Amino acid sequence: DAKTTQPPSMDCAEGRAANLPCNHSTISGNEYVYWYRQIHSQGPQYIIHGLKNNETNEMASLIITEDRKSSTLILPHATLRDTAVYYCIVRFHAGGTSYGKLTFGQGTILTVHP
Amino acid sequence: EAQVTQNPRYLITVTGKKLTVTCSQNMNHEYMSWYRQDPGLGLRQIYYSMNVEVTDKGDVPEGYKVSRKEKRNFPLILESPSPNQTSLYFCASSLRGLGRVNQPQHFGDGTRLSIL
Repeated sequence: DAKTTQPPSMDCAEGRAANLPCNHSTISGNEYVYWYRQIHSQGPQYIIHGLKNNETNEMASLIITEDRKSSTLILPHATLRDTAVYYCIVRFHAGGTSYGKLTFGQGTILTVHP
Repeated sequence: EAQVTQNPRYLITVTGKKLTVTCSQNMNHEYMSWYRQDPGLGLRQIYYSMNVEVTDKGDVPEGYKVSRKEKRNFPLILESPSPNQTSLYFCASSLRGLGRVNQPQHFGDGTRLSIL
């Protein structure tokens, strides 16, 4: 799976959009970008994933650049409960020796303040 | 409510005393997995199961056992716990997906084990 680089920490005001960047310059053509988050010592929570088109669900939006070397997770209206560590992962969509296994890097600590 | 349930949530025990951490999911998921999370080391996979009676080692299986006799349950067994197994443990599950397509994983709330 391709390596990802995220800023160690970010701040965001409550009610504003939180934009979390992720670099994955070595991503291959059949690797997807996944985002999970972990609120302090709770189980990780799936947020969203995508291949090359922008994706949106009830939690967030995912913007992937045209060359697919970077992406941005957008929380449109951040709340205090969105304070968490956010992990960007690149992994094969299907098969491979690492099927199913999640490997988290250091992630980005997002702090949403009032 | 769809969920992955782990028990116990917290446990303090002593070296060598066998213990089992249970994991149960109510989503009819084929795939289940155990992870441990340690500061600075991130999430590491211990064992996983693709379906009933099918289990395999992850990256750090030493000192652990698992079984998958029923689809919903995937217990983690520490036959002779040691202090280096003190950690935060997570169970996860997902649909298997046709063609081994990776599916979003659902995690339990974690079990914090302290082995003295």
